[in-house]
Amino acid sequence: AQSVTQPDIHITVSEGASLELRCNYSYGATPYLFWYVQSPGQGLQLLLKYFSGDTLVQGIKGFEAEFKRSQSSFNLRKPSVHWSDAAEYFCAVGALYSGGGADGLTFGKGTHLIIQP
Amino acid sequence: DVKVTQSSRYLVKRTGEKVFLECVQDMDHENMFWYRQDPGLGLRLIYFSYDVKMKEKGDIPEGYSVSREKKERFSLILESASTNQTSMYLCASRPTDREGSPLHFGNGTRLTVT
Repeated sequence: AQSVTQPDIHITVSEGASLELRCNYSYGATPYLFWYVQSPGQGLQLLLKYFSGDTLVQGIKGFEAEFKRSQSSFNLRKPSVHWSDAAEYFCAVGALYSGGGADGLTFGKGTHLIIQP
Repeated sequence: DVKVTQSSRYLVKRTGEKVFLECVQDMDHENMFWYRQDPGLGLRLIYFSYDVKMKEKGDIPEGYSVSREKKERFSLILESASTNQTSMYLCASRPTDREGSPLHFGNGTRLTVT
């Protein structure tokens, strides 16, 4: 079965500093991977995805992520964080259910990002 | 833009009540999903549907059922609500394709069972 691990429950970063959020996955085939962000009281918004091709993917809000197959990782990065980046971040891996063709996602438990002024 | 609308942002129900959570999407997506979100547990899949009247159990279906009578609408039903079903419920949809389309989420329904 597929799984996603986000080893950091909380991360605190100073405004303007760089950010890296870690994500490791376990999946039996070539995965497709996502990063989502959730602001308080809101649903999840897609930041970026990896399906195939270039292993460095660019997303919205200045985020990027790098797929490393050898390390089973898909870490999220941003060179300079803003106070508005404070949120919950979820990594997810694609799962193909054999029953009927729908693709659900398996999510990590999330990383709560705190921005210090 | 895809819009996934959950009819209620907040609900408070009593133990034993039958509860309906409604979700509508406007992009003709074949697949729809219900997740629950709890602190420290992340998102867990309850049920999903890949077509009208079709449904599949996710990871935690116990205590829940679903209904999909129309393509755009996917309902989550708590037959007899219990306090351990107090949670944030998130609906999502996506099309069927081979390009790894992302899930599109609604804003969530925060359910409290007292």
